Amino acid sequence: GESVGLHLPTLSVQEGDNSIINCAYSNSASDYFIWYKQESGKGPQFIIDIRSNMDKRQGQRVTVLLNKTVKHLSLQIAATQPGDSAVYFCAENYGGATNKLIFGTGTLLAVQP
Amino acid sequence: ETGVTQTPRHLVMGMTNKKSLKCEQHLGHNAMYWYKQSAKKPLELMFVYNFKEQTENNSVPSRFSPECPNSSHLFLHLHTLQPEDSALYLCASSQEKLAGINEQYFGPGTRLTVT
Repeated sequence: GESVGLHLPTLSVQEGDNSIINCAYSNSASDYFIWYKQESGKGPQFIIDIRSNMDKRQGQRVTVLLNKTVKHLSLQIAATQPGDSAVYFCAENYGGATNKLIFGTGTLLAVQP
Repeated sequence: ETGVTQTPRHLVMGMTNKKSLKCEQHLGHNAMYWYKQSAKKPLELMFVYNFKEQTENNSVPSRFSPECPNSSHLFLHLHTLQPEDSALYLCASSQEKLAGINEQYFGPGTRLTVT
């Protein structure tokens, strides 16, 4: 079946370094992708989204890259801070009339001071 | 704060109990969702409501019964649950438009333990 998966279940980085979290998706019909951050004891928090007619989108300290050729999505965090420590999820929408999101299992980002 | 609140934050119930989870969104959105989050598993969509009408039931057992009285409130009624139903239950809302799906905003969740 179709699924969204993450390459690295855990990523450890030094404070101040850049972080890259990767995500592979398998449905070529997906036209919307979104990244969420979930801190311990909280619900997922929206970070950034991108539609399939774009290959890059930037936010504050974050950039999402979409490579439709290889069905790959990445989240780049610049100058990673301790407050960035959390589980990061990618999700995709298969397109069409549905507003259903399919989530990956998540990557734990651990920022070392 | 995301504008989506959930109560209670923690709930312990026996398998013969009946309880309800409540969600309220203060964002003026027109779609609401229930998700289940279990350890080491992806978020599982349970139900979707668009304009108060249920548009998605993701093969959820009948011991979970959703209710959406208006576009700001969503309930999940629970009865005769099983221990494997213990999980974090998350509510979300979004503003859906004809132009396509938009980001969903999540509440803090209800941590449910079934004993």
